[in-house]
Amino acid sequence: DQQVKQNSPSLSVQEGRISILNCDYTNSMFDYFLWYKKYPAEGPTFLISISSIKDKNEDGRFTVFLNKSAKHLSLHIVPSQPGDSAVYFCAASGQTGANNLFFGTGTRLTVIP
Amino acid sequence: EAGVAQSPRYKIIEKRQSVAFWCNPISGHATLYWYQQILGQGPKLLIQFQNNGVVDDSQLPKDRFSAERLKGVDSTLKIQPAKLEDSAVYLCASSLSLAGGPYEQYFGPGTRLTVT
Repeated sequence: DQQVKQNSPSLSVQEGRISILNCDYTNSMFDYFLWYKKYPAEGPTFLISISSIKDKNEDGRFTVFLNKSAKHLSLHIVPSQPGDSAVYFCAASGQTGANNLFFGTGTRLTVIP
Repeated sequence: EAGVAQSPRYKIIEKRQSVAFWCNPISGHATLYWYQQILGQGPKLLIQFQNNGVVDDSQLPKDRFSAERLKGVDSTLKIQPAKLEDSAVYLCASSLSLAGGPYEQYFGPGTRLTVT
């Protein structure tokens, strides 16, 4: 049962434009959400996170929005750069004390120069 | 600061053989995780350690998989005997602790296992 879903396997965006990656979750106990970026032959790299007490968190060009009522979060990258081309994973965890992460299947972002 | 180290990076074995993977977490990180990532899927947690104790191994196929973190630092994941469906990337991650968290997990480069 996939508790975290990324329904778009791929996304192409022109350099300089906004990239919007989406993620949905089903478990209402999740209260901490993260985005990871993965290049080929490397492990996932932490990008940005958000706690359920917030609806927005911003770090430079990256902003994550959380809509708890819709169980939806999104990652905005503005402006997009060719170096942002990678697979982006959404992950979620709950206050179980175990800090387990549940990952989506990933979205491959391609930023076209 | 050195990242999470894993070895080997690649391994090819035949089914029914055994294999072991090694992980050294970031210094000072009490919590260590092993994930399995099958092609086209997101990472799935296999086992989680806090220091040298197991916190969660509910998704670990214990009939063939085992893991240990004897001194609370580095860890070994073993598969014996391997099956074709074990072909995947095995990722190790670490985080500061469980208390006071949650904390971001930092991943190593992974070991790509191919079972033929």
